[in-house]
Amino acid sequence: EAQVTQNPRYLITVTGKKLTVTCSQNMNHEYMSWYRQDPGLGLRQIYYSMNVEVTDKGDVPEGYKVSRKEKRNFPLILESPSPNQTSLYFCASSLRKLFGTGPESSYNEQFFGPGTRLTVL
Amino acid sequence: SQQGEEDPQALSIQEGENATMNCSYKTSINNLQWYRQNSGRGLVHLILIRSNEREKHSGRLRVTLDTSKKSSSLLITASRAADTASYFCATDTNAGKSTFGDGTTLTVKP
Repeated sequence: EAQVTQNPRYLITVTGKKLTVTCSQNMNHEYMSWYRQDPGLGLRQIYYSMNVEVTDKGDVPEGYKVSRKEKRNFPLILESPSPNQTSLYFCASSLRKLFGTGPESSYNEQFFGPGTRLTVL
Repeated sequence: SQQGEEDPQALSIQEGENATMNCSYKTSINNLQWYRQNSGRGLVHLILIRSNEREKHSGRLRVTLDTSKKSSSLLITASRAADTASYFCATDTNAGKSTFGDGTTLTVKP
């Protein structure tokens, strides 16, 4: 079954204790992305990756790290979590092929994982 | 500020009625997408409309796009209780950055 998986699904931790949330997709997608969702703020992009070894900052990258060593995996690392990183996190992937420019050029439907609910005390 | 902003923030209707939600964005786009999210779960892609399209249909969904006004609307016809969810519009840049709106929460009463 084509899917995006995230682990763990739920995590309660304490301030400063490093953690990693894993994300894996089995669709051979080139594009992967992390989002956080907070009440009243919609989804905000943390980091994204257009391909292996290529990562870029989204709108809210502070306090997070990512890596893309393999096509299928895109882990999110919180080196020193703080309470303001308590949130619902989603990983997503997309085929995102670009053929030239203009409206016919891209196909970027994103497939989302089930989410990771993180609480930092 | 959000690239995509949905309006209204919340919408409550009776089963069988139509639901219309709107999205505005700020920069030029190649395409615009609509997603649905059931409470606390991952988003599911509904429909994509390209910037050279004005209207698109998929089942009970109808999406329009007005690039001159930088706005889009999603119409759900003959709504059902199962349509209760949050709906988001999203836009992307060629560089890969994605922006989602704050969403419209739709409640369909049986």
